[in-house]
Amino acid sequence: GAGVSQTPSNKVTEKGKYVELRCDPISGHTALYWYRQSLGQGPEFLIYFQGTGAADDSGLPNDRFFAVRPEGSVSTLKIQRTERGDSAVYLCASSPGLLGTEAFFGQGTRLTVV
Amino acid sequence: AQSVTQLDSQVPVFEEAPVELRCNYSSSVSVYLFWYVQYPNQGLQLLLKYLSGSTLVESINGFEAEFNKSQTSFHLRKPSVHISDTAEYFCAVSGGSQGNLIFGKGTKLSVKP
Repeated sequence: GAGVSQTPSNKVTEKGKYVELRCDPISGHTALYWYRQSLGQGPEFLIYFQGTGAADDSGLPNDRFFAVRPEGSVSTLKIQRTERGDSAVYLCASSPGLLGTEAFFGQGTRLTVV
Repeated sequence: AQSVTQLDSQVPVFEEAPVELRCNYSSSVSVYLFWYVQYPNQGLQLLLKYLSGSTLVESINGFEAEFNKSQTSFHLRKPSVHISDTAEYFCAVSGGSQGNLIFGKGTKLSVKP
């Protein structure tokens, strides 16, 4: 597609359940980023992939969060044992991978944990 | 570590008035600076960026920002705003060996007729 695609756009889940959020980046972009945006806050960095490998996962809040990008394209953010505090908009972005180049953002997945 | 501070969470302004959205950053390495805009019900879009060279950068819709290294600032300005500029504006920094962006908390610009 022309832009970064994230699915689902909305996800409501019960506390304690497992969720997967998908990101389809722009074709050819080697860098992929996940961010979390809570109400009234700016996007908070979670993890950054360069190709298939996680170049920086220092933003993942705890071991309930995990992300993969097995073929260097689509990425999945996985959250185990969800908590109400995980409710936020999860944003994905991709870029050609060169420092200083623009990151293109998807529309986000709004996760609500009830 | 890098960080970004946007001093104003909300800026109300009348149409055709000038506006400045403030952004300060801290970093121990050379940085790249960005302003992103989020219009209502839309995703984040790049507004403008500073990589190197001229410290004054401009967008296609009349915004400009000036990189000031001594004051570690990258304030966003527009001499005359339109209703359509109503949006949330995020300042971001990246640098060092990592490409990830560190964002400020955002400033909501509300332009009133």
